This record gives sequence, C-alpha cells and structure tokens, in this order.
Amino acid sequence: QPVVTQPPSSSASPGESARLTCTLPSDINVGDHNIYWYQQKPGSPPRYLLYFYSDSDKGQGSGVPSRFSGSKDASANTGILLISGVQSEDEAEYFCMIWPKNSWVFGGGTKLTVL
Amino acid sequence: QVQLVQSGAEVKRPGSSVRVSCKTSGGNFKKHGINWVRQAPGQGLEWMGYIIPMFETTNYAQNFQGRLTITADESSTTAYMELHGLRSEDTAVYYCAREHRTDKFVIFDYWGQGALVTVSS
Repeated sequence: QPVVTQPPSSSASPGESARLTCTLPSDINVGDHNIYWYQQKPGSPPRYLLYFYSDSDKGQGSGVPSRFSGSKDASANTGILLISGVQSEDEAEYFCMIWPKNSWVFGGGTKLTVL
Repeated sequence: QVQLVQSGAEVKRPGSSVRVSCKTSGGNFKKHGINWVRQAPGQGLEWMGYIIPMFETTNYAQNFQGRLTITADESSTTAYMELHGLRSEDTAVYYCAREHRTDKFVIFDYWGQGALVTVSS
C-alpha cells in the first residue's frame, strides 16, 4: 500500500493562509490523480471538502466555503489544500485521499491549529 | 435528506468477530456504494473496502483480505461490515460512508456517526 505523506501539524493565525500538503510516492504521478480532501473535527466523522485534478476539473463540497481550494505542485509530486483567511472554526485535522490503483489510500492527516 | 445510522459500540474478545451495521435513508440505496473506513484511537483514517449494492460488487483493501466481509441488504437499505479474527490492533472507530460516483470523481458525501469496536481480553 503506497504511503501518502502529510505533515502531522500546521498552524496559522486567523486571517492568514494555511497551505497543507499531500505528497505522493515517486511511483505515483500527482498529475494523473484526483486529490480529495476531508476535514475532521474531534468526535465527528470526516467531512468532504473538495477534490482537485486540474484548474478545469475540480469540485467543491456542498456548503464548503470558497476559502478552501485545491491545487497541485507537480515538481514536488504534491497535492495542496489552501485555506485562505483561516478562521477559528477551521481548526481540525485534514486528510487527503487518492485512488492509486485498486484501493483508496489516505494520507496520515495534518492537524491544523488556529493560533 | 440522506442519513447513515450505525449500530452501537461493541466490546469483543481477541479471535472473535464483529458485525457493524449501517442503516441508510433518504437516498437511492442500490445506486450508491458504501465504503467502510476505520480510525484507531488518535490515528488516521484507513480505508477497508466497499460494496456497490446495484452490482453486488465488493472490493477489499489488501490489509483485510480474508478477514473482512461487506454485505448489503436492499430490503432494509442496510450495509454490514463483518471483521473476523479480531486482534487488539482492530480497536477503532468504524465508519460507513456513502460514495457519490461520476465519471470525473468519487466522493464520500455522507458518513455514519461511527461505531467504536474495542478488542480486549
């Protein structure tokens, strides 16, 4: 099972931007895959946020604020979740997810702390 | 409104089996796959497998091959996850999640509330 790497923690002050990364192993090309992002708060199930394939192929979850957006950095083989104008309610854990071959694989998650 | 309601917490002995149910309402049960995802205490998410009721198709993660059975009962619009040969490392919250599939994406748009399974002697 491939290992999808997310930094365990990140922090941002209210109003700042938070850039969360999801790095794929070298044998999986980020350009070939949808990157899905989920948000999870303590004691709750995950919530779908968005997916990103390209600027012309992406989707936002129902009710997800536009301050959440996705992108890719092909040079780093990485998917990115950008939260513009972080709010206190954005404090949560964020998981990326991909379908590299025959199964879904989650990243280890990044705990975002709003300072 | 789509809802997924799971069965309650369970305590099981090592070596035994557990079955968790996921009752769905408000949607087209046959059309949408049901995935199972677990989360050990303080850990991340781990996909276990899915079933697509319309095609009676299942797909299991390699880590669970031979130990996991996912079924669906259309008459009661309920999906089931049964894990056999339980060990302490299987202690986790088990979630069901409905998938919405198009030709461009597959998202887990509705989730159950989770069911804690504790494996302990």
